[in-house]
Amino acid sequence: DSGVTQTPKHLITATGQRVTLRCSPRSGDLSVYWYQQSLDQGLQFLIQYYNGEERAKGNILERFSAQQFPDLHSELNLSSLELGDSALYFCASSRGGAGLDTQYFGPGTRLTVL
Amino acid sequence: AQKITQTQPGMFVQEKEAVTLDCTYDTSDPSYGLFWYKQPSSGEMIFLIYQGSYDQQNATEGRYSLNFQKARKSANLVISASQLGDSAMYFCAMREGSSASKIIFGSGTRLSIRP
Repeated sequence: DSGVTQTPKHLITATGQRVTLRCSPRSGDLSVYWYQQSLDQGLQFLIQYYNGEERAKGNILERFSAQQFPDLHSELNLSSLELGDSALYFCASSRGGAGLDTQYFGPGTRLTVL
Repeated sequence: AQKITQTQPGMFVQEKEAVTLDCTYDTSDPSYGLFWYKQPSSGEMIFLIYQGSYDQQNATEGRYSLNFQKARKSANLVISASQLGDSAMYFCAMREGSSASKIIFGSGTRLSIRP
């Protein structure tokens, strides 16, 4: 158990819908990262927040957005869902916002878009 | 640009044998970190081991060791005395110090341990 929690574990929805994925980092970690893992794209970094502020952006679509709240939990919002958004979405956390801290991953949310 | 390559899509190894999973990387940043993660069939991503570019010694964590050859830009994972529970996907990842937030992953190696 990495100490990172993600809810829900599974999510099934239809095209065009909007969903919210939630992540709580390990105790004491200030950074939260979101990743998408799909069969054709592999593991892709989406976005990072550090202590409530956006720190870095990766391959995140405009239909996707995220935020980190004062209690440091984070939410990833996916809207206008398409079939291709079906994937495993991971949240990870690390102690700091820069440098080479190890990222610890949550169990993931498996999103299926029908 | 930073790049991670894992050239072994799949490997089969007999239980109790040692196994080496290959990883090569490319970066122009002198400061970087290399990570290995394990992903069992259940899907979670488990951190195994870390090697910093300035570390003088190869990292070890229990049965896992990292064979770090800086000049060759390789960071191979060695698992000693493999166990059935080692069957999983293994990902090599790198994070540059100057753009530290962007960790990139290789395509992974699926390791299967035979009893």
